[in-house]
Amino acid sequence: QVQLVESGGGVVQPGRSLRLSCAASGFSFGASAFHWVRQAPGLRLEWVALMSSDGINKFYADSVKGRFTISRDTSKNTLFLQMSSLRAEDTALYFCVRGGSGSYRYFDYWGQGTSVTVSP
Amino acid sequence: EKVMTQSPATLSVSPGERVTLSCRASQTVGSNVAWYQQKPGQAPRLVIYAASTRATGIPARFSGSGSGTEFTLTISSLQSEDFAIYYCQQYNNWPLTFGPGTKVDVK
Repeated sequence: QVQLVESGGGVVQPGRSLRLSCAASGFSFGASAFHWVRQAPGLRLEWVALMSSDGINKFYADSVKGRFTISRDTSKNTLFLQMSSLRAEDTALYFCVRGGSGSYRYFDYWGQGTSVTVSP
Repeated sequence: EKVMTQSPATLSVSPGERVTLSCRASQTVGSNVAWYQQKPGQAPRLVIYAASTRATGIPARFSGSGSGTEFTLTISSLQSEDFAIYYCQQYNNWPLTFGPGTKVDVK
């Protein structure tokens, strides 16, 4: 079955960096688009970044553009989110999500999330 | 940015009741709307995509409708496992955006 398992979250000081990973299994990783979606405490879900199935196209939310980078290692079926210049407002639960089969712009499978806390 | 709003914020219902949740887009998004169910401590789960298509494994009591700016998720007879927060999402334009959610809880 489809599995997405995130890791790499933690507590980090403002201005520092963190890399999240997402190990995927149970489907064709290289044929899938992936997103990162985050959920700050008490707030709505927020889309963060997309990597297209061909690995070429990447899109970012304005709130993270220039600071976050999405990437993947198809040999390891793993998706990454490199986060730099972290801010308090980046504190959230980060979900690795697969793009839908009908359109890659909705989300058909979600990981359980990894928590990121940005605090002095 | 397309802003999604949902109403009501909370809906208190009894098992067996019919439930209707509303979602509105600030500008037209065609039929490019999805609905997700999230239970406490769990990741969201896709319920509906393309405004009215049930996702794999979703029971037939869930249905979606609407197009343009007005969308509805209906649960024909609420079961105990359906108590959760429901989010709508538009995927017609970048950035992809979610509504604030409707919490369905026990009356």
